[in-house]
Amino acid sequence: GNSVTQMEGPVTLSEEAFLTINCTYTATGYPSLFWYVQYPGEGLQLLLKATKADDKGSNKGFEATYRKETTSFHLEKGSVQVSDSAVYFCALPETSGSRLTFGEGTQLTVNP
Amino acid sequence: GAGVSQSPSNKVTEKGKDVELRCDPISGHTALYWYRQRLGQGLEFLIYFQGNSAPDKSGLPSDRFSAERTGESVSTLTIQRTQQEDSAVYLCASSLTWAGGRNEQFFGPGTRLTVL
Repeated sequence: GNSVTQMEGPVTLSEEAFLTINCTYTATGYPSLFWYVQYPGEGLQLLLKATKADDKGSNKGFEATYRKETTSFHLEKGSVQVSDSAVYFCALPETSGSRLTFGEGTQLTVNP
Repeated sequence: GAGVSQSPSNKVTEKGKDVELRCDPISGHTALYWYRQRLGQGLEFLIYFQGNSAPDKSGLPSDRFSAERTGESVSTLTIQRTQQEDSAVYLCASSLTWAGGRNEQFFGPGTRLTVL
């Protein structure tokens, strides 16, 4: 079935640093790809998504490009803020499409 | 509110007791999902509903776990004879339709279950 491998954390950065969180996937066909974020004490929420190859999802200064050549969907942000401290999950639908398969999550801490 | 709600937010129970966790999806969402998140780990799929039928129960870890859904509304996850390894945050999500996984899933805040 479809699977996703996510960069292990935790990641600690200073404010205004550049962020990359790697995500690679194995999939049948070209499923939609998602990044979810979980802020402290809150539920998961969709950060961004891409529905086809070469699409770029973007939100809140974060970007990720669906690259089928490298089967990757890396999350990037040019200048992180303390408020970006959270756990980030890469996800894609299972082969049957009935549920999402999530990566293990990457804990990001941004220090002032 | 318009989001997915779950109750209770926290549940502490003794080993061997039964617990019921409730999820109210977003109105009009036909697909509903249950996941489990153990401390420091990723999300583990449990079960998926399309309407009130469950085409995919493959993630339920044992026969102590069951779930039902009333129409396209509330769902209840029941854990019988709880064990300490059941301690986790149980997350519910809903989406407009199944649509092959292309639709965004909206998550509730979760129920934190602690089995003593």
